[in-house]
Amino acid sequence: RKEVEQDPGPFNVPEGATVAFNCTYSNSASQSFFWYRQDCRKEPKLLMSVYSSGNEDGRFTAQLNRASQYISLLIRDSKLSDSATYLCVVPPGYSSASKIIFGSGTRLSIRP
Amino acid sequence: NAGVTQTPKFQVLKTGQSMTLQCAQDMNHNSMYWYRQDPGMGLRLIYYSASEGTTDKGEVPNGYNVSRLNKREFSLRLESAAPSQTSVYFCATGTGQGGETQYFGPGTRLLVL
Repeated sequence: RKEVEQDPGPFNVPEGATVAFNCTYSNSASQSFFWYRQDCRKEPKLLMSVYSSGNEDGRFTAQLNRASQYISLLIRDSKLSDSATYLCVVPPGYSSASKIIFGSGTRLSIRP
Repeated sequence: NAGVTQTPKFQVLKTGQSMTLQCAQDMNHNSMYWYRQDPGMGLRLIYYSASEGTTDKGEVPNGYNVSRLNKREFSLRLESAAPSQTSVYFCATGTGQGGETQYFGPGTRLLVL
């Protein structure tokens, strides 16, 4: 099993739809998780962090399932501006940056 | 506040040439990172520095060297560039040692011919 695995997509959904995608991880010691957003040819930027069971910020909800070792990102009422690649990040669960793992990203395209 | 800055934005090198990628931050963060991003591969950690004066290898350090000049600056050097080092390079900063939010610079696009 890859350490962090994401469905690469692309997910192509109409504006206003709800879309969700998952990120599975193998390190059961990880305590915190992050979703970053990366626009085409730009740097990644933090979207949400997940420290316990989940987090909600407006139209975005991130959930953590420790038993099955995955985190999910749900986007409600999607906007054209949500089109981007979403990266899942899993720190190692101990104080060592050498094992930060970025998923390869899920591409999301919102159509009018 | 500029956040995290990187220079140059673009660079074309011939195989065997050397160059240094510069990164500076004004966020007063202790940790700094260098990543490379290749299509379909996600971000891979090259080197990181937990604090001024310390550096450690990441996942893909071969062919690179780094210098943490001071708290603000962290440079990445390619001594003898190879086509396999064609990539987009991102510098990032963070407050801790990996379990914290990272803030990225705009990236350097490097092409090695």
